[in-house]
Amino acid sequence: EDQVTQSPEALRLQEGESSSLNCSYTVSGLRGLFWYRQDPGKGPEFLFTLYSAGEEKEKERLKATLTKKESFLHITAPKPEDSATYLCAVRFSGNTPLVFGKGTRLSVIA
Amino acid sequence: GAGVSQSPRYKVTKRGQDVALRCDPISGHVSLYWYRQALGQGPEFLTYFNYEAQQDKSGLPNDRFSAERPEGSISTLTIQRTEQRDSAMYRCASSQLNRVSDEQFFGPGTRLTVL
Repeated sequence: EDQVTQSPEALRLQEGESSSLNCSYTVSGLRGLFWYRQDPGKGPEFLFTLYSAGEEKEKERLKATLTKKESFLHITAPKPEDSATYLCAVRFSGNTPLVFGKGTRLSVIA
Repeated sequence: GAGVSQSPRYKVTKRGQDVALRCDPISGHVSLYWYRQALGQGPEFLTYFNYEAQQDKSGLPNDRFSAERPEGSISTLTIQRTEQRDSAMYRCASSQLNRVSDEQFFGPGTRLTVL
């Protein structure tokens, strides 16, 4: 059973059409939830870390939020350059390694 | 260097050969991680080091896989007697230290193809 599930697998938006990506996790004891952006042929690039329910972080058109069982990455008025795969990763306890979801492939069409 | 570097970027080998993949982390970063990423999947943890000490190797698939970081900087991931199922993108990441708050910086990866 996947511990970290991202939805949808793929999302196609028109430029300016706001939407949200979801990351849900099944194991208790969250120590940190991380969002990364990955462009084709490149390594993941860090976006945000969230630690506790109710926390929010913003960067340009992106805002990440966290509840007890899931996180949302809200994209406001996206542009074509926001097209990428967005990965969510969770650290559950102590020094356990990051567990990544499969990602959401976002395409923003001009 | 400015970021994490990996070499080679592409490696094609024949089944049964040994391969060594190299990672050069960001200067001063204490923690170094190895991941494997299949197409359409997120990175999957293999192992990590703090300084030269291997802290967790629970993600290594079997004993054909090993890693070292002898001087606490550059790391090598070695796969012995490669099999076709080992074909994947192998990514390295580094962080200042393996604290919950420390973001990991990823390298460009090595694409391994086993024929």
